Amino acid sequence: DVKVTQSSRYLVKRTGEKVFLECVQDMDHENMFWYRQDPGLGLRLIYFSYDVKMKEKGDIPEGYSVSREKKERFSLILESASTNQTSMYLCASSANQPQHFGDGTRLSIL
Amino acid sequence: QKEVEQNSGPLSVPEGAIASLNCTYSDRGSQSFFWYRQYSGKSPELIMSIYSNGDKEDGRFTAQLNKASQYVSLLIRDSQPSDSATYLCAVGMNTGFQKLVFGTGTRLLVSP
Repeated sequence: DVKVTQSSRYLVKRTGEKVFLECVQDMDHENMFWYRQDPGLGLRLIYFSYDVKMKEKGDIPEGYSVSREKKERFSLILESASTNQTSMYLCASSANQPQHFGDGTRLSIL
Repeated sequence: QKEVEQNSGPLSVPEGAIASLNCTYSDRGSQSFFWYRQYSGKSPELIMSIYSNGDKEDGRFTAQLNKASQYVSLLIRDSQPSDSATYLCAVGMNTGFQKLVFGTGTRLLVSP
């Protein structure tokens, strides 16, 4: 079974902090993705990566950056957290398709 | 027009009935289609994949694809209260990357 592990289930941070969300997959997948999910808006793609050190912007990259130094790990960085970044963050990985999701991180910015 | 559209529901069915969930998509070049189930507070879980026109059955679940009509559906037979969840339709777009576009989901409620 594919295992995608997100470092935290719940996280509370303060406005202006730099926030790191970590995601690790154990299936040697080339592709990794970061989404946020908000009520009524569904899943929205923030960034994705199709190889080590490669990244592509998704639909809502503003205020975020990513890092993929190793194939199994994909990090999402909130450069200066704001209250509108309070959301559920989901990491996914895939070889081709479909994508397999981690358990999610519920992030609150106060 | 949204790329992937689903009725938000809730769709209410009694236990034992057939639940029918629908999804339309805009990109005619799409080649892959998925249904995910998401329980409240949990992450999406893949339940069905379909790539060619017609029906694909897996246990109580049947996915149906009609590329000409740009329509994909999920049937759940003998619905159980444990099927109560939000069902997300996801479509692989013809972009060259392994991206999926998700609908906003249909909430299904199965009453005992």
